[in-house]
Amino acid sequence: DQQVKQNSPSLSVQEGRISILNCDYTNSMFDYFLWYKKYPAEGPTFLISISSIKDKNEDGRFTVFLNKSAKHLSLHIVPSQPGDSAVYFCAASGDRKTSYDKVIFGPGTSLSVIP
Amino acid sequence: KAGVTQTPRYLIKTRGQQVTLSCSPISGHRSVSWYQQTPGQGLQFLFEYFSETQRNKGNFPGRFSGRQFSNSRSEMNVSTLELGDSALYLCASSQGWGNEQFFGPGTRLTVL
Repeated sequence: DQQVKQNSPSLSVQEGRISILNCDYTNSMFDYFLWYKKYPAEGPTFLISISSIKDKNEDGRFTVFLNKSAKHLSLHIVPSQPGDSAVYFCAASGDRKTSYDKVIFGPGTSLSVIP
Repeated sequence: KAGVTQTPRYLIKTRGQQVTLSCSPISGHRSVSWYQQTPGQGLQFLFEYFSETQRNKGNFPGRFSGRQFSNSRSEMNVSTLELGDSALYLCASSQGWGNEQFFGPGTRLTVL
């Protein structure tokens, strides 16, 4: 049973438009969420994170929104650029004080930004 | 500061053999995690080591094992290889749980 789900395996967006990548989780003990980007033949690189005490975190063109009641988060990229084409992984972890302290990754969404 | 390094980058083995993969974390990072990436499955957590102790373990059979040395370098071993073990194996280091993880480039293992 996947605890972190990314239901869209792929997404295509025109350059300059907004990319919205979605992620759902089932474990209510998760309280820290991260997004990673992965190019072919490279390891994932950290993009942005959000703690459960917040509902939004912004870093340049990247914004992550968290809806705890819906157990849903999304990553917005505005404006999208061709260099953003990559696989995006959503990840979740629990507070170190609890037993749910593994980092669980979703299956990833492949984003293609079309010039 | 040097990033996470993994050796070897590519490996071809046959069924029944065993393999050892190596990971050198970023200097000062004491937590090392291992993941298996296969198409459509994302990154599956294998285990995490911190100060030479395995703190967390994923749902993989006992054929998958690991260890961490006093210098934080880590090795992962897979015995009695199966075709389904073909995957990209990623190592990540961090200062501790809940912190950003830094990934190495991975070892691409092919089992024939």
